[in-house]
Amino acid sequence: DTGVSQDPRHKITKRGQNVTFRCDPISEHNRLYWYRQTLGQGPEFLTYFQNEAQLEKSRLLSDRFSAERPKGSFSTLEIQHTEQGDSAMYLCASSSPPTGTENTEAFFGQGTRLTVV
Amino acid sequence: LAKTTQPISMDSYEGQEVNITCSHNNIATNDYITWYQQFPSQGPRFIIQGYKTKVTNEVASLFIPADRKSSTLSLPRVSLSDTAVYYCLERRYNFNKFYFGSGTKLNVKP
Repeated sequence: DTGVSQDPRHKITKRGQNVTFRCDPISEHNRLYWYRQTLGQGPEFLTYFQNEAQLEKSRLLSDRFSAERPKGSFSTLEIQHTEQGDSAMYLCASSSPPTGTENTEAFFGQGTRLTVV
Repeated sequence: LAKTTQPISMDSYEGQEVNITCSHNNIATNDYITWYQQFPSQGPRFIIQGYKTKVTNEVASLFIPADRKSSTLSLPRVSLSDTAVYYCLERRYNFNKFYFGSGTKLNVKP
Protein backbone atom coordinates (compact mmCIF):
# COMPACT_ATOMS: atom_id res chain seq x y z
CA ASP A 1 0.00 0.00 0.00
CA THR A 2 1.79 3.08 -1.25
CA GLY A 3 -0.95 5.53 -0.33
CA VAL A 4 -2.57 8.17 -2.51
CA SER A 5 -0.08 9.74 -4.88
CA GLN A 6 -0.43 13.16 -6.48
CA ASP A 7 1.65 14.69 -9.22
CA PRO A 8 3.11 17.25 -9.42
CA ARG A 9 3.61 18.36 -5.84
CA HIS A 10 4.08 21.97 -6.90
CA LYS A 11 3.05 23.88 -9.99
CA ILE A 12 3.66 27.51 -10.87
CA THR A 13 1.84 28.79 -13.92
CA LYS A 14 1.05 32.06 -15.58
CA ARG A 15 -2.47 33.40 -15.54
CA GLY A 16 -4.40 32.13 -18.53
CA GLN A 17 -2.48 28.88 -18.91
CA ASN A 18 -4.02 25.44 -18.55
CA VAL A 19 -2.82 23.00 -15.91
CA THR A 20 -3.50 19.33 -15.25
CA PHE A 21 -2.98 17.40 -12.03
CA ARG A 22 -2.92 13.65 -11.59
CA CYS A 23 -4.06 11.50 -8.68
CA ASP A 24 -3.32 7.81 -8.23
CA PRO A 25 -5.58 6.41 -5.50
CA ILE A 26 -4.95 3.37 -3.37
CA SER A 27 -5.40 0.49 -5.78
CA GLU A 28 -8.43 -1.23 -4.29
CA HIS A 29 -10.34 2.00 -3.62
CA ASN A 30 -13.23 2.66 -5.98
CA ARG A 31 -14.12 6.08 -4.54
CA LEU A 32 -12.07 9.14 -5.37
CA TYR A 33 -12.49 12.72 -4.20
CA TRP A 34 -10.96 16.06 -5.14
CA TYR A 35 -10.72 18.91 -2.64
CA ARG A 36 -9.25 22.40 -2.75
CA GLN A 37 -7.65 24.12 0.22
CA THR A 38 -6.61 27.74 0.58
CA LEU A 39 -4.38 29.07 3.31
CA GLY A 40 -5.97 28.99 6.75
CA GLN A 41 -9.11 27.21 5.58
CA GLY A 42 -10.27 23.64 5.69
CA PRO A 43 -10.42 21.60 2.49
CA GLU A 44 -13.43 22.34 0.24
CA PHE A 45 -15.15 19.53 -1.64
CA LEU A 46 -14.88 19.76 -5.44
CA THR A 47 -15.96 16.47 -6.95
CA TYR A 48 -16.39 12.74 -6.36
CA PHE A 49 -16.01 9.62 -8.50
CA GLN A 50 -17.26 6.13 -7.94
CA ASN A 51 -15.25 3.97 -10.29
CA GLU A 52 -15.20 5.95 -13.56
CA ALA A 53 -18.47 7.79 -12.95
CA GLN A 54 -18.38 11.38 -11.72
CA LEU A 55 -21.33 11.40 -9.34
CA GLU A 56 -20.99 14.67 -7.47
CA LYS A 57 -19.77 18.13 -8.43
CA SER A 58 -19.59 21.18 -6.22
CA ARG A 59 -20.73 24.58 -7.38
CA LEU A 60 -17.12 25.56 -6.75
CA LEU A 61 -16.22 23.56 -9.83
CA SER A 62 -16.69 26.19 -12.52
CA ASP A 63 -16.75 25.47 -16.24
CA ARG A 64 -12.99 25.99 -16.31
CA PHE A 65 -12.51 22.91 -14.16
CA SER A 66 -12.87 19.37 -15.45
CA ALA A 67 -12.10 16.08 -13.80
CA GLU A 68 -11.89 12.61 -15.27
CA ARG A 69 -11.28 9.09 -14.11
CA PRO A 70 -11.29 7.22 -17.40
CA LYS A 71 -10.70 3.65 -16.27
CA GLY A 72 -11.76 3.93 -12.69
CA SER A 73 -8.17 4.06 -11.52
CA PHE A 74 -6.17 7.31 -11.69
CA SER A 75 -7.89 10.68 -12.02
CA THR A 76 -6.95 14.01 -13.58
CA LEU A 77 -8.11 17.49 -12.68
CA GLU A 78 -7.67 20.14 -15.35
CA ILE A 79 -8.03 23.87 -14.90
CA GLN A 80 -8.32 25.93 -18.07
CA HIS A 81 -7.45 29.62 -18.32
CA THR A 82 -6.12 29.75 -14.80
CA GLU A 83 -6.80 32.78 -12.62
CA GLN A 84 -4.95 34.02 -9.57
CA GLY A 85 -7.90 32.93 -7.43
CA ASP A 86 -7.19 29.34 -8.43
CA SER A 87 -4.01 29.39 -6.36
CA ALA A 88 -4.53 26.73 -3.71
CA MET A 89 -3.60 23.23 -2.61
CA TYR A 90 -5.51 20.61 -4.59
CA LEU A 91 -6.03 17.45 -2.60
CA CYS A 92 -7.10 14.03 -3.76
CA ALA A 93 -8.51 11.32 -1.50
CA SER A 94 -9.72 7.78 -1.98
CA SER A 95 -11.74 5.29 0.00
CA SER A 96 -13.34 1.89 -0.33
CA PRO A 97 -17.10 1.36 0.05
CA PRO A 98 -18.44 1.30 3.60
CA THR A 99 -18.27 -2.03 5.39
CA GLY A 100 -21.09 -3.17 7.57
CA THR A 101 -22.53 -0.11 9.26
CA GLU A 102 -19.49 2.16 9.24
CA ASN A 103 -17.90 4.48 6.73
CA THR A 104 -14.40 3.58 5.71
CA GLU A 105 -11.77 6.24 6.16
CA ALA A 106 -10.70 8.45 3.30
CA PHE A 107 -6.97 8.57 2.65
CA PHE A 108 -5.61 11.85 1.35
CA GLY A 109 -2.61 12.48 -0.83
CA GLN A 110 -0.06 15.17 -0.08
CA GLY A 111 -1.66 17.53 -2.56
CA THR A 112 -0.56 19.66 -5.48
CA ARG A 113 0.17 23.25 -4.60
CA LEU A 114 -0.78 25.54 -7.48
CA THR A 115 0.50 29.09 -7.71
CA VAL A 116 -0.89 31.29 -10.49
CA VAL A 117 1.24 34.35 -11.19
CA LEU B 1 -21.14 24.46 4.23
CA ALA B 2 -19.40 23.14 7.32
CA LYS B 3 -21.91 22.17 9.94
CA THR B 4 -19.59 21.90 12.91
CA THR B 5 -18.18 24.46 15.33
CA GLN B 6 -14.84 24.10 17.06
CA PRO B 7 -12.32 26.45 18.71
CA ILE B 8 -9.97 28.23 16.34
CA SER B 9 -6.86 27.44 18.37
CA MET B 10 -5.59 25.79 21.54
CA ASP B 11 -2.27 25.77 23.35
CA SER B 12 -0.88 22.89 25.39
CA TYR B 13 2.38 21.63 26.83
CA GLU B 14 4.19 18.41 26.17
CA GLY B 15 2.95 15.52 28.25
CA GLN B 16 -0.49 16.98 28.89
CA GLU B 17 -3.80 15.49 27.82
CA VAL B 18 -5.59 17.66 25.29
CA ASN B 19 -9.34 17.68 24.75
CA ILE B 20 -10.79 19.39 21.69
CA THR B 21 -14.56 19.77 21.63
CA CYS B 22 -16.73 20.17 18.57
CA SER B 23 -20.39 21.18 18.38
CA HIS B 24 -22.74 19.21 16.16
CA ASN B 25 -25.98 21.14 16.60
CA ASN B 26 -27.61 19.85 13.43
CA ILE B 27 -26.21 16.35 13.24
CA ALA B 28 -28.41 13.87 11.40
CA THR B 29 -29.28 10.34 12.48
CA ASN B 30 -27.12 8.80 9.76
CA ASP B 31 -24.08 10.98 10.40
CA TYR B 32 -20.86 9.62 11.85
CA ILE B 33 -18.46 11.94 13.64
CA THR B 34 -14.97 11.83 12.21
CA TRP B 35 -11.77 13.62 13.17
CA TYR B 36 -8.80 14.37 10.92
CA GLN B 37 -5.34 15.78 11.62
CA GLN B 38 -3.42 17.93 9.18
CA PHE B 39 0.20 19.04 9.23
CA PRO B 40 1.39 21.97 7.09
CA SER B 41 1.77 21.12 3.41
CA GLN B 42 0.28 17.65 3.87
CA GLY B 43 -3.14 16.15 3.27
CA PRO B 44 -5.47 15.45 6.20
CA ARG B 45 -4.97 12.17 8.03
CA PHE B 46 -7.80 10.18 9.58
CA ILE B 47 -7.62 9.94 13.36
CA ILE B 48 -10.82 8.39 14.64
CA GLN B 49 -14.51 7.93 13.90
CA GLY B 50 -17.52 7.19 16.08
CA TYR B 51 -21.28 7.22 16.25
CA LYS B 52 -21.99 7.37 19.97
CA THR B 53 -20.41 6.75 23.40
CA LYS B 54 -16.67 6.25 23.42
CA VAL B 55 -14.23 5.02 20.82
CA THR B 56 -10.53 4.50 21.47
CA ASN B 57 -7.67 3.61 19.17
CA GLU B 58 -3.90 3.71 19.47
CA VAL B 59 -3.82 7.45 18.79
CA ALA B 60 -6.82 9.04 20.49
CA SER B 61 -10.18 8.66 22.18
CA LEU B 62 -13.46 10.08 20.99
CA PHE B 63 -16.29 10.84 23.39
CA ILE B 64 -19.80 11.38 22.06
CA PRO B 65 -22.65 12.05 24.51
CA ALA B 66 -26.06 10.45 24.16
CA ASP B 67 -27.59 13.46 22.38
CA ARG B 68 -24.66 13.54 19.88
CA LYS B 69 -24.72 17.34 19.83
CA SER B 70 -21.02 17.47 20.61
CA SER B 71 -17.90 15.36 20.42
CA THR B 72 -14.58 15.54 22.22
CA LEU B 73 -11.31 14.36 20.78
CA SER B 74 -8.88 13.40 23.53
CA LEU B 75 -5.16 13.20 22.81
CA PRO B 76 -3.22 11.61 25.69
CA ARG B 77 0.20 12.98 26.59
CA VAL B 78 0.78 15.19 23.59
CA SER B 79 4.22 15.81 22.14
CA LEU B 80 5.60 18.58 19.95
CA SER B 81 4.81 16.45 16.90
CA ASP B 82 1.10 16.69 17.68
CA THR B 83 1.17 20.36 16.70
CA ALA B 84 -1.30 20.40 13.81
CA VAL B 85 -4.80 21.43 12.75
CA TYR B 86 -7.57 19.11 13.90
CA TYR B 87 -10.88 18.92 12.02
CA CYS B 88 -14.17 17.44 13.17
CA LEU B 89 -16.59 16.36 10.48
CA GLU B 90 -20.04 14.88 10.18
CA ARG B 91 -19.90 12.17 7.59
CA ARG B 92 -23.14 10.56 6.49
CA TYR B 93 -23.07 6.80 6.18
CA ASN B 94 -22.34 5.82 2.56
CA PHE B 95 -22.56 9.46 1.49
CA ASN B 96 -19.94 10.64 -0.87
CA LYS B 97 -18.95 14.14 0.12
CA PHE B 98 -17.97 15.43 3.50
CA TYR B 99 -17.27 18.92 4.67
CA PHE B 100 -14.39 20.34 6.64
CA GLY B 101 -14.70 23.42 8.83
CA SER B 102 -11.81 25.69 9.65
CA GLY B 103 -10.39 23.31 12.25
CA THR B 104 -8.62 23.80 15.56
CA LYS B 105 -4.97 24.72 15.43
CA LEU B 106 -3.26 22.93 18.32
CA ASN B 107 0.08 24.34 19.40
CA VAL B 108 2.08 22.09 21.70
CA LYS B 109 4.83 23.87 23.58
CA PRO B 110 7.92 22.37 25.22
